[in-house]
Amino acid sequence: KAGVTQTPRYLIKTRGQQVTLSCSPISGHRSVSWYQQTPGQGLQFLFEYFSETQRNKGNFPGRFSGRQFSNSRSEMNVSTLELGDSALYLCASSLGRAGYGYTFGSGTRLTVV
Amino acid sequence: AQSVTQLGSHVSVSEGALVLLRCNYSSSVPPYLFWYVQYPNQGLQLLLKYTSAATLVKGINGFEAEFKKSETSFHLTKPSAHMSDAAEYFCAVIKAGTALIFGKGTTLSVSS
Repeated sequence: KAGVTQTPRYLIKTRGQQVTLSCSPISGHRSVSWYQQTPGQGLQFLFEYFSETQRNKGNFPGRFSGRQFSNSRSEMNVSTLELGDSALYLCASSLGRAGYGYTFGSGTRLTVV
Repeated sequence: AQSVTQLGSHVSVSEGALVLLRCNYSSSVPPYLFWYVQYPNQGLQLLLKYTSAATLVKGINGFEAEFKKSETSFHLTKPSAHMSDAAEYFCAVIKAGTALIFGKGTTLSVSS
């Protein structure tokens, strides 16, 4: 079965712009989580959506937002980009219960210049 | 809140040697624990998970981990390292109703 698909794979944006990243989970998975990965901070949790509702939220500013659609696909948006937003953004899908584990996509590499 | 500590940001072994990557967790209730591996420019791949069924968990590629509640540890081992094992390894913890939280990661280098 198809894995977690993230688009685009690479993105270059200018400071001050906004960006939208997309994630299509594994068929049947209702939970989608987003992570930011940087060399300095490691893997940091952004937010989790389950059945179109935000279930958990990490400690990121309001410039970072997300949503989930009825088909479980998810998008995350970052507004007013800053240089420090340059990172690998990873999406993970799950059936929704803690013990099932998460399957990750290959990520979107965002570079802000 | 739960947290994960990975001891040693970088571990180097020779090919054929034992691999031991350390992970300690902090949680008020028994959590679920995971080990993931990440190769350059890729996402995370699940190696194994502990969900309370058995304390010794076997995963892919010959890796295994033992859950020790008394030591709050979940160390990852492999009897004999291969060159292809060189990657970054992450320990992660989750409990019901919360998010999956990762350790800082350990980079494994394997020399011939």
